[in-house]
Amino acid sequence: EAGVAQSPRYKIIEKRQSVAFWCNPISGHATLYWYQQILGQGPKLLIQFQNNGVVDDSQLPKDRFSAERLKGVDSTLKIQPAKLEDSAVYLCASSGGTGGRTEAFFGQGTRLTVV
Amino acid sequence: ILNVEQSPQSLHVQEGDSTNFTCSFPSSNFYALHWYRWETAKSPEALFVMTLNGDEKKKGRISATLNTKEGYSYLYIKGSQPEDSATYLCAPSSAGNMLTFGGGTRLMVKP
Repeated sequence: EAGVAQSPRYKIIEKRQSVAFWCNPISGHATLYWYQQILGQGPKLLIQFQNNGVVDDSQLPKDRFSAERLKGVDSTLKIQPAKLEDSAVYLCASSGGTGGRTEAFFGQGTRLTVV
Repeated sequence: ILNVEQSPQSLHVQEGDSTNFTCSFPSSNFYALHWYRWETAKSPEALFVMTLNGDEKKKGRISATLNTKEGYSYLYIKGSQPEDSATYLCAPSSAGNMLTFGGGTRLMVKP
């Protein structure tokens, strides 16, 4: 079974530029998450999708971040414009269950550096 | 947003030592608790999903216990090896599948 795929692995941009990350979850997984992990902290949930609907995006800075999951499969996360404090690892994860007792599978993440 | 705390933040042990860390979470409306291991340059990997008070789970040299009434879980590693070096994350989950992670415990095992 293929795992969660993310791209790119690394990205360096200047502040005020735009950037997009892509995630392909495990086939058949209805739940997809985007997390932001700043160095020294635990992953923070940005947005959770159930199929192509948003379940929770309360911690997504909507003035600059956007995410979509077209057709309930792949997802993209965009930052426009980027700030220095957006430097972090962006993790995508997917889960096959709809209840909270199913493990989530993570991709390797995209390490973003904003200079 | 749940308040999830993990301690210690980091830990250095010698190869062969046994060690343990703590995850504290709100005991009200408990649904499940997840433990993950995250090695550098790899994906976080699920270790355990725990649901019942008093639950104890084991995978090789790693085990975990759960106390839902007081809101804590312990993760134990017996006879630490250098390959156990990683960040260990806990995350309570809601019925809606939402995981809220603690800050993690970074373990470094010296040969």
